[in-house]
Amino acid sequence: DQQVKQNSPSLSVQEGRISILNCDYTNSMFDYFLWYKKYPAEGPTFLISISSIKDKNEDGRFTVFLNKSAKHLSLHIVPSQPGDSAVYFCAADGGSTLGRLYFGRGTQLTVWP
Amino acid sequence: EAGVAQSPRYKIIEKRQSVAFWCNPISGHATLYWYQQILGQGPKLLIQFQNNGVVDDSQLPKDRFSAERLKGVDSTLKIQPAKLEDSAVYLCASSSRGTSGNNEQFFGPGTRLTVL
Repeated sequence: DQQVKQNSPSLSVQEGRISILNCDYTNSMFDYFLWYKKYPAEGPTFLISISSIKDKNEDGRFTVFLNKSAKHLSLHIVPSQPGDSAVYFCAADGGSTLGRLYFGRGTQLTVWP
Repeated sequence: EAGVAQSPRYKIIEKRQSVAFWCNPISGHATLYWYQQILGQGPKLLIQFQNNGVVDDSQLPKDRFSAERLKGVDSTLKIQPAKLEDSAVYLCASSSRGTSGNNEQFFGPGTRLTVL
């Protein structure tokens, strides 16, 4: 049962343009969301997060938007750079003291010059 | 600050053999996680430790998988006997959850297991 879904397996964007990666979730108990970036042969690295009490969080070129009513979040990267090419995972915190994360399948972002 | 260390990085075994993975978390992190990532999927939690106690092993196939965290620091994950479907990357992560509100987990580079 996939509680966090990333329906686009891949995205290709030209350098300098905006990249928008989408994520949907089904469990209304999720109260914290994270985005991870993964390069080949490396573990995922934390990128940005958002609490369910907010609808936007910004960190430099990266902004995450949360729409709780739609159970949808998105990651915006502006401007996109070739070094951003990686797999991006959306994750949701299970909302309990256990701290379990539920991950989506990931979206491969390719930024071309 | 040193990151999460894992070894080996790669392992190839035949089905029905046994294998063990090692993880050393970030110093001071009380919570340690083992994830399984099958090709084309996101990481799936296998087991979570808080210090040296298990807090969630609901997704661990206990007939063949076992894990321990001695002294609340290093951890080992073992598969015995391995099956073809165990081919995956095994990721270890740690966090300081319990002292902060968020659940940022720090991942190691993973061990890529191939079962032939």
